[in-house]
Amino acid sequence: GAVVSQHPSWVICKSGTSVKIECRSLDFQATTMFWYRQFPKQSLMLMATSNEGSKATYEQGVEKDKFLINHASLTLSTLTVTSAHPEDSSFYICSATEGQGQPQHFGDGTRLSIL
Amino acid sequence: GEDVEQSLFLSVREGDSSVINCTYTDSSSTYLYWYKQEPGAGLQLLTYIFSNMDMKQDQRLTVLLNKKDKHLSLRIADTQTGDSAIYFCAERSGGYNKLIFGAGTRLAVHP
Repeated sequence: GAVVSQHPSWVICKSGTSVKIECRSLDFQATTMFWYRQFPKQSLMLMATSNEGSKATYEQGVEKDKFLINHASLTLSTLTVTSAHPEDSSFYICSATEGQGQPQHFGDGTRLSIL
Repeated sequence: GEDVEQSLFLSVREGDSSVINCTYTDSSSTYLYWYKQEPGAGLQLLTYIFSNMDMKQDQRLTVLLNKKDKHLSLRIADTQTGDSAIYFCAERSGGYNKLIFGAGTRLAVHP
């Protein structure tokens, strides 16, 4: 149980393109979803927290107009990297939790490469 | 602010026990977690412990929590080559289940 699916797993695109990443909880309802960014050989950096039906809460230093988050249902959250540039290249990972006190379950991540 | 620290690297022989250590600073942490990350993949929840517990065992995994010293450890018995990965310690902090991660410990298992 507690499976989180993330899609796509790898995307390569040209500079200036917008890229959408999906995160789905397959067998549970996720009241809260999280988006992380991970640089090579580093830990996870929390970008934002999103609750179903409300605006995402962004961490300090993360541009909300650059990284658009939508959490329209209890099983789906999307992260859109708008007008992506090479410095946005990274490994993006989502996680989901059923609620307070419940652990976060992670997707397999999306490797984004901007040329 | 909250901080979680781990040693960066551990090398063990196959069949031996591995012990990965973690220290944290937030005394109000309610849950502490261990996640495993294999190359190019997301994080897999291994186990977690509630702050009012001292120990939790799950098959080959044993978690010890010393709340006074804010020290958490993960022991893997009979370590196998498939256990080679990066292990992250994390504490739950604040509302919305926000997690604070350590830098990760890279476990290398050799024959």
